This record gives sequence, C-alpha cells and structure tokens, in this order.
Amino acid sequence: GQQVMQIPQYQHVQEGEDFTTYCNSSTTLSNIQWYKQRPGGHPVFLIQLVKSGEVKKQKRLTFQFGEAKKNSSLHITATQTTDVGTYFCRLAAGNKLTFGGGTRVLVKP
Amino acid sequence: NAGVTQTPKFRVLKTGQSMTLLCAQDMNHEYMYWYRQDPGMGLRLIHYSVGEGTTAKGEVPDGYNVSRLKKQNFLLGLESAAPSQTSVYFCASCSTSGTDTQYFGPGTRLTVL
Repeated sequence: GQQVMQIPQYQHVQEGEDFTTYCNSSTTLSNIQWYKQRPGGHPVFLIQLVKSGEVKKQKRLTFQFGEAKKNSSLHITATQTTDVGTYFCRLAAGNKLTFGGGTRVLVKP
Repeated sequence: NAGVTQTPKFRVLKTGQSMTLLCAQDMNHEYMYWYRQDPGMGLRLIHYSVGEGTTAKGEVPDGYNVSRLKKQNFLLGLESAAPSQTSVYFCASCSTSGTDTQYFGPGTRLTVL
C-alpha cells in the first residue's frame, strides 16, 4: 500500500526564522495537496501541486513538488505566530487518498 | 452556504452505547469522507462514499458503519462504543475524485468512558 512519511513531526521555530517540512511517498503521485489545521480547528486547504517539479508560492509559503512526483516540501520564510498549527500533506495516487501524519509547528516569540 | 456541518459538536458516551454522527454538505459534492484524528496524530480514513447510495471502507473501518441515503448527508454510526473510539471525528467532502479540494467540517469531539 501507499506509504507516506512527513518530517519533522514537530518544528519549534523562533519567530522570524525559516523552516521546511517534507512529505515523502513510496509511490508516484497524481498530485499532492497541503492543508493547515490551526489548534482546535479543522484542516483547511492551502494548495495543490500536479506537475513534476512544480513550485507555487503563497506569500511567505513556498510549495514544491519533486521531479519524480514522490515527494513535496513546504518552506515558510520569516515565520510568524499566525503560522502556528499542523501542516498536512495529502497524497493522491489514482483514487487513493492518504494524509501524512503532519508537522506540528510551534512558534517562539 | 454553510459548507460542511457536523452534529453534534461534543458527545460523551459510556462503553457499549451507540450513537450516530451526522455530516451535511450544501455544495452538491459527490464524495464524502469520515476521518478520525487522535491527539497529536494525523487523519485516518474510516469510510467514504463516492455518491448517493454508495459507501466503501477506508483504513480503519472496524466498529463503525455508514450510510449515504441522501447526497447531502453522510452518517457515521457507532453500534457499541469503546474507549478506543475516543477521538475527534471529521467529515469532509469534495466534488469529484482526488484532484479536488476536500472541505472539512468543524469536527465532533467524542469521549467514550
């Protein structure tokens, strides 16, 4: 079956610093989506990547899809307290959808 | 347009009791999903539906049943609750298959004593 690993599990970041979270799949993907879940909230869609090597930006967030379509990364620059939450990748291989375990981000002011 | 709603928001059950969680969406979506999220964990798929009258098992279906009698509603049933089913339950919907955004409900926090 499809295996997904999201690292790191936890990320403690000083406000203003950058960090990256990674999502790795054992199989080639149709697409990958990223979601953010604020503490006590529900997952909210951020972005979808479909093409090999695709890079998309949303303000301070940069999303990248690997050339082999087996991995993805989310890079946040100049972290702010509003970035607190858990970031999940959601993999799609055909009709099979799998969520990664998430990276829980804590920001130190 | 309320999106995805879930009822109830909170519930406490005793072991062996039964209950039904209701998910409703007003976006005319074909696909609906039930996930559970345990503390500090990711989302695990319980059951899903690809259209009215259809259901399928996900990753962790044991102890749960579902029904999709109407397109807008997806019900999750626990016939005999166990403490291991203490979790936050999220419903989600999307218009077609894996390439579309999943819209999540606010969740139901269930505690089984």
